[in-house]
Amino acid sequence: QSALTQPPSVSGSPGQSVTISCSGTSSDVGSYSRVSWYQQSPGTAPKVMIYEVSNRPSGVPDRFSGSKSGNTASLTISGLQADDEADYYCSSYTTSSTYVFGTGTKVTVL
Amino acid sequence: QVKLQESGPGRVKPSETLSLTCSVSGGTVSIGSYYWSWVRQPPGKGLEWIGHVYYSGSTNYNPFLKSRVAISVDTSTNQFSLKLNSVTAADTAVYYCARVVYYDYVGGSYHYQYFFDSWGQGTLVTVSS
Repeated sequence: QSALTQPPSVSGSPGQSVTISCSGTSSDVGSYSRVSWYQQSPGTAPKVMIYEVSNRPSGVPDRFSGSKSGNTASLTISGLQADDEADYYCSSYTTSSTYVFGTGTKVTVL
Repeated sequence: QVKLQESGPGRVKPSETLSLTCSVSGGTVSIGSYYWSWVRQPPGKGLEWIGHVYYSGSTNYNPFLKSRVAISVDTSTNQFSLKLNSVTAADTAVYYCARVVYYDYVGGSYHYQYFFDSWGQGTLVTVSS
C-alpha cells in the first residue's frame, strides 16, 4: 500500500483559509467514508481533527472542516491562526482492512 | 480519559528484535469497540501504520512489515505489545501506540468508524550497534 499523496506545504496569513488535499485510490479514500485528519506539532503525538471525512471530535474548532470527492479528500482550515501551524496527515481505512497515512503537509502561518 | 504509555528499550542492535509495550489506563483493552494499534515515524518523516490487535487477540498488519511483526494483547495487565524482528537502521523511529475507534453503537445499529482517537506520547527507538 502506498502512502496517500499530500502537498508538502501550504501557507496563509492569519484569518485566511487554506486547503490540504489528500489523494488516494479506489482501494482507500475512494472506497469508504473513513478518512481522518491529524494535527502534529513538533515533538508531540498526532491529534485527531476530523474523522469519517467531515466529523469533528468535541473540542476541535469548527474552523476545521473536511470533505471528499472521489479518490481525493480535503481538509480546510478557515480563519487561520498562529497555533494552527503544524504538520497535518490524512489517513484512510483500506479495502484490505489496513490503514494508510498521507505523506504529510506542513502548514505555515505567515 | 484513556491514557496510553509506551515503554521499552531506546536502543536495539541490528538484526535483533525490537520489543515495546503499551500500558493503557483510564480504560480497558477488553472493549470490543476499539482496536489497539502501533504507528511509527522515522525522524523527520511521516507516519506509518504497523498493525493492530483486537481484544480477542486477532491481528492485522501492514503488508510491508507483516513478515517481521507480531502484536499481542494481555487483557489481565491491560497492555498490548509490539515485536519487530530482524531490525535495521531503517527501523529507527518514534513508535506510538494508539487506540482505534472500531465502531460506535447508536440507536440499535453499529456505525463503523476506524480512526485513531488516542495516542501515547511516543518513544524513540534507535537501531544501532
